[in-house]
Amino acid sequence: EAGVAQSPRYKIIEKRQSVAFWCNPISGHATLYWYQQILGQGPKLLIQFQNNGVVDDSQLPKDRFSAERLKGVDSTLKIQPAKLEDSAVYLCASSRQGAGTGELFFGEGSRLTVL
Amino acid sequence: DQQVKQNSPSLSVQEGRISILNCDYTNSMFDYFLWYKKYPAEGPTFLISISSIKDKNEDGRFTVFLNKSAKHLSLHIVPSQPGDSAVYFCAASAHNAGNMLTFGGGTRLMVKP
Repeated sequence: EAGVAQSPRYKIIEKRQSVAFWCNPISGHATLYWYQQILGQGPKLLIQFQNNGVVDDSQLPKDRFSAERLKGVDSTLKIQPAKLEDSAVYLCASSRQGAGTGELFFGEGSRLTVL
Repeated sequence: DQQVKQNSPSLSVQEGRISILNCDYTNSMFDYFLWYKKYPAEGPTFLISISSIKDKNEDGRFTVFLNKSAKHLSLHIVPSQPGDSAVYFCAASAHNAGNMLTFGGGTRLMVKP
């Protein structure tokens, strides 16, 4: 079974520029998550999708971050304009629909450096 | 407000000995707890979990203990192996909150040969 795919693995941009990250979840997984992991901290949930609907985006800085999941499969996370404090690893994860145990499958992450 | 805390940022143990990683939580609505393991440049991978109706769950060398009254859980690794060297994240979820995970800050475990 293929895992969660993310790209790009690394991205360096200057502040005020924009960036987009892509995620392809495990086939058949209805729920998709984007997490932000700042160095030395645990992952923080940004947004959760169930199929192509948003379940929770309460911690997404909506003035600069946006995410979509078209057709309930792939997802993109965009940051525009980027700030220095957005430097982090952006982790995509997926889980089976109704996975009440909370077990998530993570991708390798996209490391963003904002200069 | 950090609802899940791992107060030890790092832990060093000798190969063959026991590793004990600790986690505290504040939200009494959490009813499911998980441990994830993360190697550098990789995403976290699920290790072991426990439901709030239990106080212990074992899987090979890994055992998780839950003390609900103290809002504390711990992960025991016996015996520790050099390949266990990684960052370990404690996570918690609440059934009535969509099972979304709240993570602790992680503990870096180093197992010395």
